[in-house]
Amino acid sequence: AQSVTQLGSHVSVSEGALVLLRCNYSSSVPPYLFWYVQYPNQGLQLLLKYTSAATLVKGINGFEAEFKKSETSFHLTKPSAHMSDAAEYFCAVNQAGTALIFGKGTTLSVSS
Amino acid sequence: DGGITQSPKYLFRKEGQNVTLSCEQNLNHDAMYWYRQDPGQGLRLIYYSQIVNDFQKGDIAEGYSVSREKKESFPLTVTSAQKNPTAFYLCASKDRERNTEAFFGQGTRLTVV
Repeated sequence: AQSVTQLGSHVSVSEGALVLLRCNYSSSVPPYLFWYVQYPNQGLQLLLKYTSAATLVKGINGFEAEFKKSETSFHLTKPSAHMSDAAEYFCAVNQAGTALIFGKGTTLSVSS
Repeated sequence: DGGITQSPKYLFRKEGQNVTLSCEQNLNHDAMYWYRQDPGQGLRLIYYSQIVNDFQKGDIAEGYSVSREKKESFPLTVTSAQKNPTAFYLCASKDRERNTEAFFGQGTRLTVV
């Protein structure tokens, strides 16, 4: 069965600093991986997805993620944090025949 | 505009009552899902449906029930058997192909009073 582990439930950065949110997956088949963002009391919005076309995936709002099969990782990065990036971020893997399986989430705080 | 709509946004339930959360989509998606979100626990799958008139239990189905009579609709009933129903509930839909993303509604916050 597939699973996702997000390392760090809370990450704090200064405005303008690098953002790095970690995600490791477990899958017995080639995975399809996703990063979502959630603002308070709202649904989830897709940031980016990996579907085996390219290992470096670019998403919205300047975020990108790199799929590393050897490390079973799909970490999310952004070169320069903005105050508006403060939110909760979820990594997810698509389990065949069922549903997206989510990690527990990482709350990103951005200070000025 | 295509999308997925949940209603109501806020819902209050008395002890012992059943309540139904609505989820409607006009994206022509076959698959629909219900997740429960609690602080620090991520999203946990309650029920999912891949096709009309068929649905499966997720990881935390006890105390919940669903129906899928129409492709567009997947209502969730929180029954009195659910002992701790206060949570944020999210509905999602997606195409049945594995590599496609899920689209989410704006959620319903259920509170027991």
